[in-house]
Amino acid sequence: AQSVTQLDSQVPVFEEAPVELRCNYSSSVSVYLFWYVQYPNQGLQLLLKYLSGSTLVKGINGFEAEFNKSQTSFHLRKPSVHISDTAEYFCAVIPHSGNTPLVFGKGTRLSVIA
Amino acid sequence: ETGVTQSPTHLIKTRGQQVTLRCSSQSGHNTVSWYQQALGQGPQFIFQYYREEENGRGNFPPRFSGLQFPNYSSELNVNALELDDSALYLCASSRDYYEQYFGPGTRLTVT
Repeated sequence: AQSVTQLDSQVPVFEEAPVELRCNYSSSVSVYLFWYVQYPNQGLQLLLKYLSGSTLVKGINGFEAEFNKSQTSFHLRKPSVHISDTAEYFCAVIPHSGNTPLVFGKGTRLSVIA
Repeated sequence: ETGVTQSPTHLIKTRGQQVTLRCSSQSGHNTVSWYQQALGQGPQFIFQYYREEENGRGNFPPRFSGLQFPNYSSELNVNALELDDSALYLCASSRDYYEQYFGPGTRLTVT
């Protein structure tokens, strides 16, 4: 079975400052990794994904994440945040083998302060 | 390309009633998954449908059931509603099983 741990439930950060949202996972098999963003009263939007290849992946809205297999981590970063980045961010994994669902972390609430 | 749509947006039901939620998948996607997101939590997998057959189920009781239609749209039915069923219900569609695209969700309140 897979599990995902998002190490911070809430992250406050000032506008234009950098931010890192941390995600660690546990799995006995290889997985694909995803970050989703959820704005208030909305569904989930795919931010970025790691399927294979370069361990540094770039997503929408200036976000990027780095897959570290040895540390089983997939941390999300943005060099300069905006007020509009205020949202809930979810890390998720799914095994390569298929027939198993996406497993989500509990989420990190990013609050950008003016 | 039309994204994933869900209806209704909000719903209020009484304990013991039954509810049906609907989802239209993104064009070209043949797999639909349903998730329950309780307040302050990550989404929890309910079940998945692939080409009209249930293709996996999470830890939810049988009163949670579903259907997928030939056009790959889907329904989630919940019988004998309980207060703890109050949540945001998310539908996701995919062409490949792993890259899932979510709809806006249906907010269900059980009183």
